[in-house]
Parts: sequence; C-alpha cells; structure tokens
Amino acid sequence: GESVGLHLPTLSVQEGDNSIINCAYSNSASDYFIWYKQESGKGPQFIIDIRSNMDKRQGQRVTVLLNKTVKHLSLQIAATQPGDSAVYFCAEMYGNNRLAFGKGNQVVVIP
Amino acid sequence: GAVVSQHPSWVICKSGTSVKIECRSLDFQATTMFWYRQFPKQSLMLMATSNEGSKATYEQGVEKDKFLINHASLTLSTLTVTSAHPEDSSFYICSAHPMDRGTDTQYFGPGTRLTVL
Repeated sequence: GESVGLHLPTLSVQEGDNSIINCAYSNSASDYFIWYKQESGKGPQFIIDIRSNMDKRQGQRVTVLLNKTVKHLSLQIAATQPGDSAVYFCAEMYGNNRLAFGKGNQVVVIP
Repeated sequence: GAVVSQHPSWVICKSGTSVKIECRSLDFQATTMFWYRQFPKQSLMLMATSNEGSKATYEQGVEKDKFLINHASLTLSTLTVTSAHPEDSSFYICSAHPMDRGTDTQYFGPGTRLTVL
C-alpha cells in the first residue's frame, strides 16, 4: 500500500554550497542503484547510477557513494544551483529490472 | 537520446468511465516498459511490468482487471484505468528499458495526471 506520510524530508541549501542527500535501501542483494531528480509535475530524470562492485562514482557536479555494509547511498551535489531544486529519489533494481524507489528528499536552493 | 513520451499529459474524467494512457519510446525500442503511480508528496510505486508480446506482470495488490496493460509494439505500451473512481486520481508515470544498449537504465516519461470526479 501507499505510504501515509505527506511530508518529504527537506534540505535547504544556500546557492553555491554543496548538498548531500542520503538514502537507505532494503535489499542486500541489489546490485544496481540509481539517483533520479523529479521536478514538480514531471517524470523522474536520471542523474547518476552505480553498481555494487563500486563504492564511488562521479559525474558532472554529482557524486554517488555506496556503502553496502550498511545499505546506504548518498548523492553529493557540488556548488548547488537554483536549478537543482527538486525532489531526489534513490532507486534500487531488483528482479527483472524492476525499480524500488526510496521515499524522496526535497532540496530547496536558497539564492 | 532516450526520450519517452506519454499521452495525455493530464485527463479529467467522470467516475465509472475508463481512461487510456499511452507510453511511447520515441528513439529506441523497448521490450519492457513499466507503469508507476505516484500520489502527492509520495514516492513512485511500481504497478506493473509491461512485456511486448506477452501478458503484463502486476505487483502485489494491483488489480489486473482494473489496470489493463497492452504492449502492442516495441515502442508503445498503454495503461487503461477501467471504471475509474476518485481514489484512482494520481500521477501515472511510465518508464522504458532500451533494448540493445547494454544498459540497465530506465528512462521515464513526463507523467499523466489523472483526476476522477
């Protein structure tokens, strides 16, 4: 069933500062993880992915860290910009390429 | 690129009617597409896996007779919400997994906002 909670965790960050968003996943057998960005009224947009044989992967202004021991993912955004304001979801891939999404984190960038 | 479109982007219907939502992969083929539902300020919940040429696979708790899925071609999947009721009002999002690109990444459509009066 759907979650009852209607309040997303919110991170307020000053423009230019770095942002860190955290996510706990549930299945220790998952071997592929993705971060998505979702702006209001739109579909999720791929940001970066990582496989379980890595613990860090970098993209343009973004870095994903994976800690398999504690089943934890994080997304770091460098020099956060107003256009980074959105909801960020982590997702883990399980059987038959299905994705299970985390609860989401709202990022609000203060100009 | 990897572009997925959905049509319509929003729809309002009366209770008891059926609504069809289309999901198209515009520049790639996909044997597998996925349908999600998202309520306000909540996460995406996978409803079903749409398989080209075979029956869809539904997640636990999703009524297959209410949410009809047809994957008619390698670029098109449709979701029909039958006998819609106000509690079916939600944001419906599809994703597609490209064939032959050597990636597990799924690409998402822009979503369809369904409001049932």
